[in-house]
Amino acid sequence: EVLLVESGGGLVQPGGSLRLSCAGSGFTFSRYSLNWVRQAPGKGLEWVSYISTTSSTTLYADSVKGRFTISRDNSKNSLYLQMSSLRAEDTAVYYCVRECTDSSCIDYWGQGTLVTVSS
Amino acid sequence: YVLTQTPSVSVALGQTARITCEGNNIGGKSVHWYQQKPGQGPVLVVFDDGDRPSGIPDRFSGSNSGNTATLTISRVEAGDEADYHCQVWDMSRNPLFVFGSGTRVTVL
Repeated sequence: EVLLVESGGGLVQPGGSLRLSCAGSGFTFSRYSLNWVRQAPGKGLEWVSYISTTSSTTLYADSVKGRFTISRDNSKNSLYLQMSSLRAEDTAVYYCVRECTDSSCIDYWGQGTLVTVSS
Repeated sequence: YVLTQTPSVSVALGQTARITCEGNNIGGKSVHWYQQKPGQGPVLVVFDDGDRPSGIPDRFSGSNSGNTATLTISRVEAGDEADYHCQVWDMSRNPLFVFGSGTRVTVL
């Protein structure tokens, strides 16, 4: 069974930092491109960041560029999102997601981890 | 690129629900649909306009043409009550994955 389990969310003050982690299991982690997608309370889904299988390519939404850094450790089956200079508008549930192999869809999502930015 | 979805759709038990996703020439892109129940992560229900992942019942189907993609849920069950999100992908744009605003389906 494919599982993606996020951790690291919590309450942080504006301007602060937080590191999210995602542990993958049930599949060959190194063969899949991965992304972070977030959902603000009561809102729709928003793509945040992408990383290729070998970490050679990373991409970011304009809203987080320069503040967030995506990385992965294939030896540990883990994906990370380092978030800094956090703002109130970054408050959301953050999902770790796996891209489909032969399509532009997302075939598995984690359960999400809530990040709240507030003083 | 903007995807527009109707905020809510109500459908009687056993009837057919149609959820639309509008975008400029969306018919030229592959559209994917996700079901999201309260407190849970989304689940892929239709990909590449009309294909279903294994385990998704054939009551779920999709179509895509012109400026509108449609997710159709036939013989609606109580368990189909959820939010549904459409999505397209475009490597030449930022954001990489574009999602619609979501449609809340209520089963009467």
